[in-house]
Amino acid sequence: QVQLVQSGAEVKKPGASVKVSCKASGYTFTGYYMHWVRQAPGQGLEWMGWINPNSGGTNYAQKFQGRVTMTRDTSISTAYMELSRLRSDDTAVYYCARELVVRGFSAGFDPWGQGTLVTVSS
Amino acid sequence: EIVLTQSPGTLSLSPGERATLSCRASQSVSSSYLAWYQQKPGQAPRLLIYGASSRATGIPDRFSGSGSGTDFTLTISRLEPEDFAVYYCQQYGSSPKTFGQGTKLEIK
Repeated sequence: QVQLVQSGAEVKKPGASVKVSCKASGYTFTGYYMHWVRQAPGQGLEWMGWINPNSGGTNYAQKFQGRVTMTRDTSISTAYMELSRLRSDDTAVYYCARELVVRGFSAGFDPWGQGTLVTVSS
Repeated sequence: EIVLTQSPGTLSLSPGERATLSCRASQSVSSSYLAWYQQKPGQAPRLLIYGASSRATGIPDRFSGSGSGTDFTLTISRLEPEDFAVYYCQQYGSSPKTFGQGTKLEIK
């Protein structure tokens, strides 16, 4: 079955960087865009950007431009999201999510990874 | 950026009742690229509806979506105990791919 498995929880100090991984299985990794979405404690969902695993091309939300880098390793079907210059308000659960395609058209995000809690605290 | 506004913020209903959730966009959503997700505590969101009205694989037919342009609705025809959760709409037709703030569906 299609599955995304993310790396474990992280605790970081302000100013540091964090790199979260997302390992895909059950489908052709290079055939579908991968998105990253975060959710602060008790808050809603915030889209961060996407990576095209085939070309490595990316598109980031303006809010994260200059701080986020999305990469991939096609040999192990894994996508990565690195966020730098961390602040306390970056504390959140970070999700990867595959962009679903139905009959050639984008169809939302499915499935999602289980989430990775990143805590930023001094 | 397309801003999505969901209403109500909280909806209190009983099992067996009908739920109607609204999502209004600040500008037209291209090609009805509007999705609905369900999220339960401690879990990742789950895709329910895409293309404004198409059910995702495995989603019960008590869930239905409708609307176009700037006004969209998620309807749950007869609430089951497992349907009480937070629901988000999302437009994915243009970047940034924004989400609404969510509607919490709670047991009355």
